[in-house]
Amino acid sequence: SQQGEEDPQALSIQEGENATMNCSYKTSINNLQWYRQNSGRGLVHLILIRSNEREKHSGRLRVTLDTSKKSSSLLITASRAADTASYFCATDGNNQGGKLIFGQGTELSVKP
Amino acid sequence: EPEVTQTPSHQVTQMGQEVILRCVPISNHLYFYWYRQILGQKVEFLVSFYNNEISEKSEIFDDQFSVERPDGSNFTLKIRSTKLEDSAMYFCATRRGADTQYFGPGTRLTVL
Repeated sequence: SQQGEEDPQALSIQEGENATMNCSYKTSINNLQWYRQNSGRGLVHLILIRSNEREKHSGRLRVTLDTSKKSSSLLITASRAADTASYFCATDGNNQGGKLIFGQGTELSVKP
Repeated sequence: EPEVTQTPSHQVTQMGQEVILRCVPISNHLYFYWYRQILGQKVEFLVSFYNNEISEKSEIFDDQFSVERPDGSNFTLKIRSTKLEDSAMYFCATRRGADTQYFGPGTRLTVL
């Protein structure tokens, strides 16, 4: 399997609910970044968490990182219909020269 | 807020033709990347560029691909003889240091 695997692959929730997406990776990392992509559009950077950090917040987003389990989670609280998008984790690993390795993504659908 | 820009937004070409995709990085950024995303699949690294030379390239980035920074501002990706399987969204990304990569909106390449 590959670096940066997200689960679930698809998630459907009602507006106002929380959405949790998980990401697992295989090699050691410098940081892990979460991106959002609306259908057919560009990648919007959401949040970066460094390998020595365990949790980070940005507005309604909360990211955790567990380097011992090589996993991260992205929590979106009080979701809105506008949060409907695909969410990707991407790892910037040691000795990777800064390139990002992306997971397959989680497709989030928030129903009004 | 500074943004990475890409042109064109959509390029349609015939198989065997050459295409050049253009990117204008954020002005004080030093590291440049190209990624691609085939429809419905994850984002894949193609090449990284720093100090006017390629730092790393993936297996996808074969002799048909080249990159350059012709005038110190634009960063281009050239595909010499396009194949059907080159149809994808191509993203440019830039970063300043060991930090967030900012992605452009992408160029959708369609090879007929």
